[in-house]
Amino acid sequence: ETGVTQSPTHLIKTRGQQVTLRCSSQSGHNTVSWYQQALGQGPQFIFQYYREEENGRGNFPPRFSGLQFPNYSSELNVNALELDDSALYLCASSLGSGQLVYEQYFGPGTRLTVT
Amino acid sequence: RKEVEQDPGPFNVPEGATVAFNCTYSNSASQSFFWYRQDCRKEPKLLMSVYSSGNEDGRFTAQLNRASQYISLLIRDSKLSDSATYLCVVSGEGNTPLVFGKGTRLSVIA
Repeated sequence: ETGVTQSPTHLIKTRGQQVTLRCSSQSGHNTVSWYQQALGQGPQFIFQYYREEENGRGNFPPRFSGLQFPNYSSELNVNALELDDSALYLCASSLGSGQLVYEQYFGPGTRLTVT
Repeated sequence: RKEVEQDPGPFNVPEGATVAFNCTYSNSASQSFFWYRQDCRKEPKLLMSVYSSGNEDGRFTAQLNRASQYISLLIRDSKLSDSATYLCVVSGEGNTPLVFGKGTRLSVIA
């Protein structure tokens, strides 16, 4: 196992609601990346946090926001949920920047269903 | 052109067969390349990094052709446990660390 944990494992929400997903990174890792994986697709990069600062963002609207805490755990918040937000949300931790940031270890994911 | 393209499969092969997956990428500036494996309804797991000189890990061999922007994964002596989706991954532009392909599904049958 990678040591990366996510909660909750499953979640059902209705359109317009807000959701918070949580991730604890692997011990010693200071970088957390979030991905959205729709059915039949590869993971799509949402954003990355490095030492509590957003360090890169993919093509997602501002209603997707995040935080990283001093212990390097992280939250992903999604406001005004839409049906298309239904997906597996993956958190990946890595160490530092440069080439090491590419060696990412994924948590088990949170499966979000929006009805 | 999509950033990372893979044949989605599925590839259905008998046990013991050799199977090859190919992947092309569009960003010529990409420096890091990987193959991840993803089991059904599970998270992706790093299978191997891909180096310019090519690398081998047991039954798995990865190759990189920078000139053609092409990556391959060869699996020899396929096992039932190799059944999974194989994701081709390259480092992205700017602050996008990793760009994933859609994956190629492999089913190894007895």
